Amino acid sequence: LAKTTQPISMDSYEGQEVNITCSHNNIATNDYITWYQQFPSQGPRFIIQGYKTKVTNEVASLFIPADRKSSTLSLPRVSLSDTAVYYCLVGVNFGNEKLTFGTGTRLTIIP
Amino acid sequence: ETGVTQTPRHLVMGMTNKKSLKCEQHLGHNAMYWYKQSAKKPLELMFVYSLEERVENNSVPSRFSPECPNSSHLFLHLHTLQPEDSALYLCASSVGGTGSTDTQYFGPGTRLTVL
Repeated sequence: LAKTTQPISMDSYEGQEVNITCSHNNIATNDYITWYQQFPSQGPRFIIQGYKTKVTNEVASLFIPADRKSSTLSLPRVSLSDTAVYYCLVGVNFGNEKLTFGTGTRLTIIP
Repeated sequence: ETGVTQTPRHLVMGMTNKKSLKCEQHLGHNAMYWYKQSAKKPLELMFVYSLEERVENNSVPSRFSPECPNSSHLFLHLHTLQPEDSALYLCASSVGGTGSTDTQYFGPGTRLTVL
C-alpha cells in the first residue's frame, strides 16, 4: 500500500492559487491518485483523480510528475469556502490493500 | 446530493442503550463502508462490504455490529458503547471491485454522543 505524506496545515489569502503536494514514494503501477475535500462535520467529497501528467476539472487541477512519486493539487483563486481538510489517497480498498485517510492538509483561507 | 444518506444525523445515547445507524445509497454501487472520525483524528476504516459480504473488519470492538442486507443498505448496530466511542460515523459507497479508480462517495455522517 502506498503511504502518503502531506503537510499538516497551510494558510493562504483569498484569490491566490494554492498548491498542496502529496508524496507517495511507494505508489504501485496500477494505483491512481485521488484527492478528497472535507468540511467540518461532513463526509469527505471527491475532488479529482489522476494517473499521470495533468488532470483538470471545474474545481481543481492535479499535476503528477513522470515518476509518479508525488502529486500536487492546485486550487485556483481560492475563496473562504475552500477552507477545509484535503486528503490525498493512493490505491484501492480491497483485497490486501486498505485505503487510509491520513491526517490530510488543513487549508485555511484568510480574508 | 451525494446519493448517500444517513440517519439519524445526530444521536445521543447512554452506555446501556442499543441503537442503530442506517445508511442508504442510491448510486447502484456494490461496496459500502463504515468509518469513524473522532475529534481531530484521521478517518478510521471500520468495515467494508462488497456485494453484501464483509471483506474487511479492522479489529473493531464487538459492541459495533454491522449489517448489510442488500447492496443499497448498511446498518451499524450499537450496544453498550463507551464515552470514547463518541464520534462522527460516516458511511460511504463505491462501485467496488478491484478497479484502481474506485472513488468513494460519503454520506453526511451521524454525530454520536455517548453519555
